[in-house]
Amino acid sequence: QSVLTQPPSVSAAPGQKVTISCSGSSSNIGNNYVSWYQQLPGAAPKVLIYDNNKRPSGIPDRFSGSKSGTSATLGITGLQTGDEADYYCGTWDSSLSAGVFGGGTKLTVL
Amino acid sequence: EVQLVESGGGLVKPGGSLRLSCAASDFTFSHYSMNWVRQAPGKGLEWVSSITSSSRYIYYADSLKGRFTISRDDAKNSLYLQMNSLRAEDTAVYYCARSGGSFYDFWGQGTLVTVSS
Repeated sequence: QSVLTQPPSVSAAPGQKVTISCSGSSSNIGNNYVSWYQQLPGAAPKVLIYDNNKRPSGIPDRFSGSKSGTSATLGITGLQTGDEADYYCGTWDSSLSAGVFGGGTKLTVL
Repeated sequence: EVQLVESGGGLVKPGGSLRLSCAASDFTFSHYSMNWVRQAPGKGLEWVSSITSSSRYIYYADSLKGRFTISRDDAKNSLYLQMNSLRAEDTAVYYCARSGGSFYDFWGQGTLVTVSS
């Protein structure tokens, strides 16, 4: 049981938009920055979004992040088949003094 | 370019020990907090442990219950994870990841630890 809650799967057609939610509490998302990671099959995770809504260099602006209260959202527009991957949200939990991740969301581009 | 290369994984019997290493290059290792994150087969990411620069602060997942010890050697640009009393549920790919502030900005390719008799 993950501290952060994500939907197990989402799907959309190429070119469409999808959002992935990440729900937590005041001890984690509510008071700490959220980051998002993409894990392609057989690969290590890669950061897509950090500090709630910032993109590292090289990450296209098709990827966006937002946070409101104790929830965060990853948005992906202009879906491509290459976006098929597992996506994870992550943050720090101040009560646990521990890093925490969501359970992951598998994106299927139909 | 930042590189993190894990090593030390392998097959170990339940109750056994293993020491993982992470060799860092192309950045000033001593300036950064470092982390271990693991992923059981077919499962999600699980944070294991973090160590700040100068080893000032160290954190562990509660589930480890004192069995794992994180350490670093800044002279060798290396991060370590000593794992004792290993259990089947510790079977996972273990990733070394650098902290870029509040997030993990660079990850290694991972090393597989299999705990089985």
